[in-house]
Amino acid sequence: RKEVEQDPGPFNVPEGATVAFNCTYSNSASQSFFWYRQDCRKEPKLLMSVYSSGNEDGRFTAQLNRASQYISLLIRDSKLSDSATYLCVVNMRGSSNTGKLIFGQGTTLQVKP
Amino acid sequence: EPEVTQTPSHQVTQMGQEVILRCVPISNHLYFYWYRQILGQKVEFLVSFYNNEISEKSEIFDDQFSVERPDGSNFTLKIRSTKLEDSAMYFCASSDTGALYGYTFGSGTRLTVV
Repeated sequence: RKEVEQDPGPFNVPEGATVAFNCTYSNSASQSFFWYRQDCRKEPKLLMSVYSSGNEDGRFTAQLNRASQYISLLIRDSKLSDSATYLCVVNMRGSSNTGKLIFGQGTTLQVKP
Repeated sequence: EPEVTQTPSHQVTQMGQEVILRCVPISNHLYFYWYRQILGQKVEFLVSFYNNEISEKSEIFDDQFSVERPDGSNFTLKIRSTKLEDSAMYFCASSDTGALYGYTFGSGTRLTVV
């Protein structure tokens, strides 16, 4: 089983649509969870951290279910500028305390006019 | 907003040559990382560095790779004898809290081995 698994998509949606991405992770000892955004050939940029209580940042809502080892991202009122690859990322505590981030393959979103 | 700076943005090198990729982390950060992304594939962890030594490294980070923080500001990744399969984007990252709250990544160096 992959450490972090995502549906690669692509998701093609019209402007204004609501779209949801899901992710599962294999290591129950994972500490912290994130969604990153990556534009073509650019660096990953932190979109938001994900907490069990759920958290919202404007049009974006993230949710974590530790029991199911499942992470979600909801984007409401999609904009053209939301077109990107969304990376599900998990912090795995390794042999050191510095940790490392484990990335999913990413889910590609294309928002069309 | 503070940023992680990487140079060069693109490097082309011949197979077997040594390359050094350079990074300037955010100034008050203590944890440093290198990741790579082969075209079309996921971002992969290479190495973490803290307190002037390697904290953890992946299976990818073999004897051909080394890291150094030579002067308190730069953080370098050296590949001693490049292979075709080393062609990738290499991202440097830094953090003041380890990985707990995520990292800031640099804009990357695209390494092309020919």
